[in-house]
Amino acid sequence: DVVMTQSPLSLPVTLGQPASISCRSSQSLVHSDGNTYLNWFQQRPGQSPRRLIYKVSNRDSGVPDRFSGSGSGTDFTLKISRVEAEDVGVYYCMQATHWPPLTFGGGTKVEIK
Amino acid sequence: EVQLVQSGPEVKKPGESLKISCKGSGYTFTNYWIGWVRQMPGKGLEWMGIIFPGDSDTRYSPSFQGQVTISADKSIRTAYLQWSSLKASDTAMYYCVRGKIVDYWGQGTLVTVSS
Repeated sequence: DVVMTQSPLSLPVTLGQPASISCRSSQSLVHSDGNTYLNWFQQRPGQSPRRLIYKVSNRDSGVPDRFSGSGSGTDFTLKISRVEAEDVGVYYCMQATHWPPLTFGGGTKVEIK
Repeated sequence: EVQLVQSGPEVKKPGESLKISCKGSGYTFTNYWIGWVRQMPGKGLEWMGIIFPGDSDTRYSPSFQGQVTISADKSIRTAYLQWSSLKASDTAMYYCVRGKIVDYWGQGTLVTVSS
């Protein structure tokens, strides 16, 4: 199975400041079809997760443009350009290149300082 | 609008059986895989397995193979996750999700197993 490792575990951020979350995979996530199936999810307290980013850098409909994804191969990053109060929650990366199983990172908790 | 609507919370005793459901709407149900994700209390997300309702092709995570059964009834656009003998360690929130792309999530079904 592909192991997804996120860092940091916890990320205290000042409102209006940027935040960055790292996700590393145990093997390259480039699929034989040329795509890289790396997603990012946000889970606000008490809610179901929702997808923010798919295939590394594509924002889902309705996702604010302060969220961006980047990376390639085994190293990926989710950035929030200016953190807002509604961004508090846990963020997960997930790979869907080598399946089954799909595998999630352990999560990064974003909180306001 | 795509929706995945799950069945309500369950409280069961160890050893009992259980089947929870996930009804899809707003899209062609037989064209997308439906997966299940477990979230134990205070923990992260674990992918359990997936089914293609069009032909019932089913795949499991090795961690869940033999522990649960995933099925679907395409005539009523519903996928299922079932246990034959629950354990206390099955206490968790269970989400259904659409596809390998995981673009839509159900609202979750809380399963509590306690004597």
